[in-house]
Amino acid sequence: KNEVEQSPQNLTAQEGEFITINCSYSVGISALHWLQQHPGGGIVSLFMLSSGKKKHGRLIATINIQEKHSSLHITASHPRDSAVYICAVRNTGNQFYFGTGTSLTVIP
Amino acid sequence: NAGVMQNPRHLVRRRGQEARLRCSPMKGHSHVYWYRQLPEEGLKFMVYLQKENIIDESGMPKERFSAEFPKEGPSILRIQQVVRGDSAAYFCASSPPTGYWNNEQFFGPGTRLTVL
Repeated sequence: KNEVEQSPQNLTAQEGEFITINCSYSVGISALHWLQQHPGGGIVSLFMLSSGKKKHGRLIATINIQEKHSSLHITASHPRDSAVYICAVRNTGNQFYFGTGTSLTVIP
Repeated sequence: NAGVMQNPRHLVRRRGQEARLRCSPMKGHSHVYWYRQLPEEGLKFMVYLQKENIIDESGMPKERFSAEFPKEGPSILRIQQVVRGDSAAYFCASSPPTGYWNNEQFFGPGTRLTVL
């Protein structure tokens, strides 16, 4: 069993739809990151969370420490949001765990 | 302010050769992380360095791999006697000096290593 589980693995949405990607983890963490990997391979860090909620433009990330769960929301999705979204955590023992990613395709 | 720079972007080596991957962090960043992404697999943490110090190398293979981040110059990930299984994309990220992974990371474009 992976320490970090993401769902769904693949997601196809129509432009304009509200999108949610989920991340559940089984270890105690000190930080959780959401990353975006573009089709060309480049990686962008979207959020670093240790509690609560963060918003950046059309992106919102939330974390519930008690439930060991985080969500990444995209409002008014656009084809340029098409990418792989990766959840990553660092546990209290300074070990890193990465989800296998959610592949998002937004259709015009 | 240039972003994180990695070079080369593509590197081809024959089995048994050495590979040197370079990472120049963003200006003002003193923390560097190296990650590896094997084909069709997710990212894996390799090593975390601060200037002149290896803080965490728990993700580094025990043999043939080493990393450094000297006082001057880029961070270098060195792979000796490469094997085909080392073929992967190697990403470097940097962050400001405000705590271990508790800050946004800025990723470089990656170096794609192919071992023939």
